[in-house]
Amino acid sequence: EIVMTQSPATLSVSPGERATLSCRASQSVSSNLAWYQQKPGQAPRLLIYGASTRATGIPARFSGSGSGTEFTLTISSLQSEDFAVYYCQQYNNWPPSFGQGTKLEIK
Amino acid sequence: EVQLVESGGVVVQPGGSLRLSCAASGFTFDDYTMHWVRQAPGKGLEWVSLISWDGGSTYYADSVKGRFTISRDNSKNSLYLQMNSLRTEDTALYYCAKDADDSSGYYGDYWGQGTLVTVSS
Repeated sequence: EIVMTQSPATLSVSPGERATLSCRASQSVSSNLAWYQQKPGQAPRLLIYGASTRATGIPARFSGSGSGTEFTLTISSLQSEDFAVYYCQQYNNWPPSFGQGTKLEIK
Repeated sequence: EVQLVESGGVVVQPGGSLRLSCAASGFTFDDYTMHWVRQAPGKGLEWVSLISWDGGSTYYADSVKGRFTISRDNSKNSLYLQMNSLRTEDTALYYCAKDADDSSGYYGDYWGQGTLVTVSS
């Protein structure tokens, strides 16, 4: 099973600033990586698939990059509603696997 | 609008059984692979199982293989998870998710709100 490792575990950023979240795969997953946002008490929401393609209705301030084993989710100018937990998931190899999450909190 | 509504979560004793359901609407249910994904309290996401559009193919995480059975009834737009020989480590919020239908692999593009399963004596 491919192990996905996210860093940092917690990221403190001020509203309006840029946030950069990282995800590393234990072996190459090509560009077959998704990012999800989860707010307290809510279901995960798909943000990014194919490492860099925004899902339907996702604002342009969210962007994804990377391929192989190193991936980044960038939120260009943080809004209050962006403070949440973010998960990456690889779907290149069986079984699909998630990172442990990065909590993005208000500084 | 895609809607997925899970039900069936309760408190059950170790070794017990439970059946979860997921009612789907807002899309052509029998066109899509469907998933169950779980989240233990305060923890991350763990993929549990998936079933192909016609029910002909099913897959399970090693942690539940042989104990859980996924199924679907396309005439009722419903997904199920039969959970047997439950363990305390199965305690989690169980989400139903619609597959994105990406030829590159499996991930969920719409998720329900989850149903809580607590395994405790």
